[in-house]
Amino acid sequence: RKEVEQDPGPFNVPEGATVAFNCTYSNSASQSFFWYRQDCRKEPKLLMSVYSSGNEDGRFTAQLNRASQYISLLIRDSKLSDSATYLCAVPGGGADGLTFGKGTHLIIQP
Amino acid sequence: DAGVIQSPRHEVTEMGQEVTLRCKPISGHDYLFWYRQTMMRGLELLIYFNNNVPIDDSGMPEDRFSAKMPNASFSTLKIQPSEPRDSAVYFCASTRTGFMNTEAFFGQGTRLTVV
Repeated sequence: RKEVEQDPGPFNVPEGATVAFNCTYSNSASQSFFWYRQDCRKEPKLLMSVYSSGNEDGRFTAQLNRASQYISLLIRDSKLSDSATYLCAVPGGGADGLTFGKGTHLIIQP
Repeated sequence: DAGVIQSPRHEVTEMGQEVTLRCKPISGHDYLFWYRQTMMRGLELLIYFNNNVPIDDSGMPEDRFSAKMPNASFSTLKIQPSEPRDSAVYFCASTRTGFMNTEAFFGQGTRLTVV
């Protein structure tokens, strides 16, 4: 299994819908997990951190399933502005580094 | 704070030429990371520094790549000689205590094209 895997998509979702996508990781010892958002031709920016079972921030919910070694990102009431690539990141690549998935491309359609 | 500053934003060079990418981290951040992003491989960690000292360079693809951090406010990534397969977006990121416990801030990246 690759270190961090994501479905590349694209996910085409109508505005207002709920969308969820997963990220699987191979390092069972990982304690912290992250979702980054990357807009086209821009740098990644932190969206959410997950240190225990999950985290919620407005329309966004991140959940962790340690037994199956995946984290998920749920977006409710999706907006056009949510269109972006969502990168999952897990500690690795050195003691302080992060290993990123290749990202899931999300397109919210009007 | 202006954030992480990278230069140049775009670089087009011929195969065999030397390329130097520059990064200024956020003041007070002790960690600096160099990443490379391509469609095929995604974001790959090349090397990172803690307090100006290189900690892990296992991601550096070849001896053609080298990185330095002469002081807390400046780092360079050099490719010599450059090859077309080095074409990618190179990101620099900095964080206060390492990625594990705090947000990392990325620069806007340098888009490198080697022809």
